[in-house]
Amino acid sequence: QLQLQESGPGLVKSSETMSLTCIVSGGSISSNSHYWGWIRQPPGKGLQWIGSIYYSGDTYYNPSLKSRVTISVDTSKNQFSLKLSSVTAADTAVYYCATTRGQLYMLAPFSWGQGTLVTVSS
Amino acid sequence: QAVVTQEPSLTVSPGGTVTLTCGPSTGTVTSGHNPYWFQQKPGQAPRTLIYDTSNKHSWTPARFSGSLLGGKAALTLSGAQPEDEAEYYCLLSYSGVVVFGGGTKLTVL
Repeated sequence: QLQLQESGPGLVKSSETMSLTCIVSGGSISSNSHYWGWIRQPPGKGLQWIGSIYYSGDTYYNPSLKSRVTISVDTSKNQFSLKLSSVTAADTAVYYCATTRGQLYMLAPFSWGQGTLVTVSS
Repeated sequence: QAVVTQEPSLTVSPGGTVTLTCGPSTGTVTSGHNPYWFQQKPGQAPRTLIYDTSNKHSWTPARFSGSLLGGKAALTLSGAQPEDEAEYYCLLSYSGVVVFGGGTKLTVL
C-alpha cells in the first residue's frame, strides 16, 4: 500500500520560496496512471488543490496559484516536490501530498500523507 | 475557476439520517465530474470516503453512501454515530483541474 510522507522547513520567510518534498514508499512513483499532487489547508479553513504531476513530468496546476507553483518528480528517489515562490502570510497552511487512485487523467487525491505545517513569517 | 458549494454546517441526531450536498456555482453535477467525498477530523489528514460518485473506500462504513441528487452530488449518512462528527469535503473534477467544496461541519447531537 502506497504511503506518503511530507518533509521540509516548517518556517519560511515572507517573499522567499518554500520547498517541500513527498517521499513515496510501498510502491513506485512511476506507477502507470497514478498522479502525485499537493493540497493545502490554511488554519481553520478548507482544502485547496495546488497541483499534480505524472511521473513523465506532465503537470497540472490550480490556475489561481499557477504563476508561483512548480511541481517536479524525481523517479530515481521515488519522490516529488513542491516549490511555491514569493510566499506571504496567506500561504501559511498545512500542506498535504497525495496520490490518485490510478486512473488516467483523474487527478482526484485518494491516498494522503499526514501533512506538514508551513508557517510564513515576516 | 468553478466554485463548489456545500452546506456550511448540519446537525444530525444519533441514529438519524442526513444528506450533505455538493454542487457547482453554475450548472449541475454529473457522473463525469467523478465526485469524491472526504472526511476530516480535527488534527487529522482527510480520508477518502467515497469516490466516483458512489464507490466506497475499503474503510468506509456501510452507513455512508454517495449519489447524484437533484443535480448535485450527495453524501447520505444513515444511522449517524458520534464518531461521524467531522468536516466533510467534496471534490469535483474538471478538465485538468480538481476543485474542493468549502466543507460541511457535521455535528452529531
